[in-house]
Amino acid sequence: DADVTQTPRNRITKTGKRIMLECSQTKGHDRMYWYRQDPGLGLRLIYYSFDVKDINKGEISDGYSVSRQAQAKFSLSLESAIPNQTALYFCATSDGSSYNSPLHFGNGTRLTVT
Amino acid sequence: AQSVTQLGSHVSVSEGALVLLRCNYSSSVPPYLFWYVQYPNQGLQLLLKYTTGATLVKGINGFEAEFKKSETSFHLTKPSAHMSDAAEYFCAVTATDSWGKLQFGAGTQVVVTP
Repeated sequence: DADVTQTPRNRITKTGKRIMLECSQTKGHDRMYWYRQDPGLGLRLIYYSFDVKDINKGEISDGYSVSRQAQAKFSLSLESAIPNQTALYFCATSDGSSYNSPLHFGNGTRLTVT
Repeated sequence: AQSVTQLGSHVSVSEGALVLLRCNYSSSVPPYLFWYVQYPNQGLQLLLKYTTGATLVKGINGFEAEFKKSETSFHLTKPSAHMSDAAEYFCAVTATDSWGKLQFGAGTQVVVTP
């Protein structure tokens, strides 16, 4: 979905380094999410934000932090990267207008920690 | 809390044959169910979603899914597979007590053979 942009698309970093993944959206949605995808595990929720002042932990938030700089921007940080954080990371948005409002995904950031 | 189980991590179908992807859910409250598709190097796209009402849901690209409460299932079908259907498919669930937070299945990789 071109309305949700993730940067970078690919990143290789070393163990112990701090890294930030960025997400911006032009959909005007209040809700933003970070998921990670691992083979055989599907997508797991890391953090989510229902508006600029609302940040919530997901099921696998340890080792991660987030910042909601504006309605349109939601960044994910790995304070000290470790190899088991190697994964495909997705940002998603939702308008939250109903229980079944769909998520709109970016194209992902493939992160490799060596 | 909700969860989904997708039966079969890989499915191979011949072009023109029926596509059947199985999804079973667990939820203590009425669920909202989704199917997403992921093409290579892309984010997830919504195929279809179920809310209360009609149990047969039609989505994009000729896919449909049937909600069966008695079987806690939401299987995805397409009568005739095309080569372009080769992708990974994810079933996901949320509910009123998890508003906005989707739980994803592990995914099913579909291979279409000529």
